[in-house]
Amino acid sequence: EDQVTQSPEALRLQEGESSSLNCSYTVSGLRGLFWYRQDPGKGPEFLFTLYSAGEEKEKERLKATLTKKESFLHITAPKPEDSATYLCAVQPGTQGGSEKLVFGKGTKLTVNP
Amino acid sequence: DTAVSQTPKYLVTQMGNDKSIKCEQNLGHDTMYWYKQDSKKFLKIMFSYNNKELIINETVPNRFSPKSPDKAHLNLHINSLELGDSAVYFCATGSYEGSPLHFGNGTRLTVT
Repeated sequence: EDQVTQSPEALRLQEGESSSLNCSYTVSGLRGLFWYRQDPGKGPEFLFTLYSAGEEKEKERLKATLTKKESFLHITAPKPEDSATYLCAVQPGTQGGSEKLVFGKGTKLTVNP
Repeated sequence: DTAVSQTPKYLVTQMGNDKSIKCEQNLGHDTMYWYKQDSKKFLKIMFSYNNKELIINETVPNRFSPKSPDKAHLNLHINSLELGDSAVYFCATGSYEGSPLHFGNGTRLTVT
């Protein structure tokens, strides 16, 4: 069964204190791994897609990396506005599976000023 | 101009009632989805439609019936609501298979 596990469940950082969020997955043929940001009362907002091991993508203070079993979302010198829940999702490569995303529970990040 | 809009944002109703949630998109995407986010925060796919045709129907009770009158709309009708149906329901769209999804802001359904 396709599964995504994110850790930690919650993370508190001081402004400027860099850290990483983990997403480990088991999936039948990975077609893509997605990172989303979700603010309270809002829908998830797309951040990155990664397709193959070794791939990296960056956007402002965020960098996503991918290996064959996990992905990391690195946050460099975070600011309070980076506070949100970060969701990881995988797209299975099985027939009929590629139309859906399998999500993890998310990591709730709080950045204190 | 909101890309994916859902109505209502909040829905409080009693067990046994029938209710609908509406979703509209102005992105011109071919595929639309319904996802459910339960109290444990897992987002799980319920249905997907491509050009008004049902593509995915996960193991969802048949009290839930999606309807797509046209490419820009996907509604979700729920019959005989149960306590366990309480959750946040998200509509999403995608332009092609594997493309990033664009989500609406959700409908929080509370069944009492």
